[in-house]
Amino acid sequence: QLQLQESGSGLVKPSQTLSLTCAVSGGSISSGGYSWSWIRQPPGKGLEWIGYIYHSGSTYYNPSLKSRVTISVDRSKNQFSLKLSSVTAADTAVYYCARTTPRPYNWFDPWGQGTLVTVSS
Amino acid sequence: SYELTQPPSVSVSPGQTARITCSGDALPKQYAYWYQQKPGQAPVLVIYKDSERPSGIPERFSGSSSGTTVTLTISGVQAEDEADYYCQSADSSGTYPGVVFGGGTKLTVL
Repeated sequence: QLQLQESGSGLVKPSQTLSLTCAVSGGSISSGGYSWSWIRQPPGKGLEWIGYIYHSGSTYYNPSLKSRVTISVDRSKNQFSLKLSSVTAADTAVYYCARTTPRPYNWFDPWGQGTLVTVSS
Repeated sequence: SYELTQPPSVSVSPGQTARITCSGDALPKQYAYWYQQKPGQAPVLVIYKDSERPSGIPERFSGSSSGTTVTLTISGVQAEDEADYYCQSADSSGTYPGVVFGGGTKLTVL
């Protein structure tokens, strides 16, 4: 059974870069033509899609975050990563990674358990 | 920007039927997906491609589509179904394969 696990710094200072990694187990990140995604949820609020990286390596980002986001994949380690630069308190959220169905569909299943990132000095 | 609209809350008694709607102009052209999120947990996919149910999801969960509205129906609601539910679809802009989520609906089992 495929499992995803987020890891990274839980506390980031304003203006710095948030970095998270999602380790994939129970399957290869390179198989099945899937895409791999990041989604976040501010405390008490709804879900916000951040972006995903396709099987081909192409990336697609939420326009509202595009200038600050980089998603990359390390196939040798079976993991993918998120970097979000110039963070502010508004970036405080639980960050989830998820597998994304191949195009033309784009549903998310399964999800990682999520990791809380707080932006504070 | 494109939005999916859900009611903030729905309340039902145990054993009754809960219906949660999601409206968006592009829904006639794009599939919708539904997620259940219980407090402190990650979302779980309960419906994909408007009406398909993943393995392991109880039969009381069903989905339907009509025009610009999709509906998640939970028949014979149980206390364990109390959760937040989110719809999701593709952005309708066509310039990129974006994703949009509805604002979420809190289902309360009375």
